[in-house]
Amino acid sequence: NAGVMQNPRHLVRRRGQEARLRCSPMKGHSHVYWYRQLPEEGLKFMVYLQKENIIDESGMPKERFSAEFPKEGPSILRIQQVVRGDSAAYFCASSPPATGGYNEQFFGPGTRLTVL
Amino acid sequence: AQSVTQLGSHVSVSEGALVLLRCNYSSSVPPYLFWYVQYPNQGLQLLLKYTSAATLVKGINGFEAEFKKSETSFHLTKPSAHMSDAAEYFCAVSASSSNTGKLIFGQGTTLQVKP
Repeated sequence: NAGVMQNPRHLVRRRGQEARLRCSPMKGHSHVYWYRQLPEEGLKFMVYLQKENIIDESGMPKERFSAEFPKEGPSILRIQQVVRGDSAAYFCASSPPATGGYNEQFFGPGTRLTVL
Repeated sequence: AQSVTQLGSHVSVSEGALVLLRCNYSSSVPPYLFWYVQYPNQGLQLLLKYTSAATLVKGINGFEAEFKKSETSFHLTKPSAHMSDAAEYFCAVSASSSNTGKLIFGQGTTLQVKP
């Protein structure tokens, strides 16, 4: 059973361009979380999605950031008009439906975004 | 609301010595608590979790942690450090009453193991 897959692993964009980060959850997992890790910091929750639904986007910046998890295909985190402050590692985690009252999350290797 | 504080951003131990990484949490509801390890340029791997069962939790690679409600702590320990334990460690909390399961992470502690 393959783990959570993220691509690309490294992404370089110039200021003003768009960045698209992809996450394929583990087989059988229908829940996806996105987290951002700024340099020298811990991970910060961004958004939680189930298939075709955004459940919690309380950690998403109000502008330029969007996420989707379509019925078919990977989850996409999209950042429009990137700025240098968007440079970070973006991690995706997937989980099966909640068991025992919590969602155990399995993390992908991350996408490291560098904005020039 | 939940929060996590990891005391000490860097911890250095000698190979074979006790490892103690500190984590204190704040939660208005019974928490679920987790320790993750991150090796350079990799994702996070779950070491162990507390989900309201036994307060002493054993994880992978010889690590364990004890949930102490009175101290709001969930410190991570390992009796004898190995060179391969050098990594960054994150403590995280999730609200047991949450319907999202999102994790709130501490700032992380970098463990250095000296030969």
